[in-house]
Amino acid sequence: LAKTTQPISMDSYEGQEVNITCSHNNIATNDYITWYQQFPSQGPRFIIQGYKTKVTNEVASLFIPADRKSSTLSLPRVSLSDTAVYYCLVGDYNQGGKLIFGQGTELSVKP
Amino acid sequence: IAGITQAPTSQILAAGRRMTLRCTQDMRHNAMYWYRQDLGLGLRLIHYSNTAGTTGKGEVPDGYSVSRANTDDFPLTLASAVPSQTSVYFCASSDSTSGGADTQYFGPGTRLTVL
Repeated sequence: LAKTTQPISMDSYEGQEVNITCSHNNIATNDYITWYQQFPSQGPRFIIQGYKTKVTNEVASLFIPADRKSSTLSLPRVSLSDTAVYYCLVGDYNQGGKLIFGQGTELSVKP
Repeated sequence: IAGITQAPTSQILAAGRRMTLRCTQDMRHNAMYWYRQDLGLGLRLIHYSNTAGTTGKGEVPDGYSVSRANTDDFPLTLASAVPSQTSVYFCASSDSTSGGADTQYFGPGTRLTVL
């Protein structure tokens, strides 16, 4: 599975847009890009998934350039409740679901 | 719908004891997984099962065993617990027949302390 690299931590303020970029230089043709969110003392929760270009849902947007070697999770107008760890994962999950979570990005939203 | 339940919520265990962490899902997902989460190391896959009756090893399988007798249950057993197995354990499931890349749904976790 492709290895991912993302910032260890980020700080933001309420109401700002937050962009977290993940590098995955070795992404394979069949790989999807998925982001999870984890609050303290809880299991990770799916946020968004994409293969190429842009994907948007009610929570976030995911931007994927043409070469797919990176992706950017965009959280519009964050609130204090968005303080969490965000994980970027890359893989062809139909091959046994061996997800590699890495350390994630710890986002701290301040008032 | 409960989703995924794990039991116990937390447990303190003496080294050398046997322990089984329980995981049950009611979503009829065919795939299930066990992860451990340690500070600074993120989540690491212990074992997984793509379908009832089959299991596979993840990144850190040593000291753990699993079974998948049916679709809903995926217990994780520590045959002889050691302090390095102190961790938070998460169970997850996914419907890998849905096409594309499947999404994993996680349980609330079990906090295990081995003394």
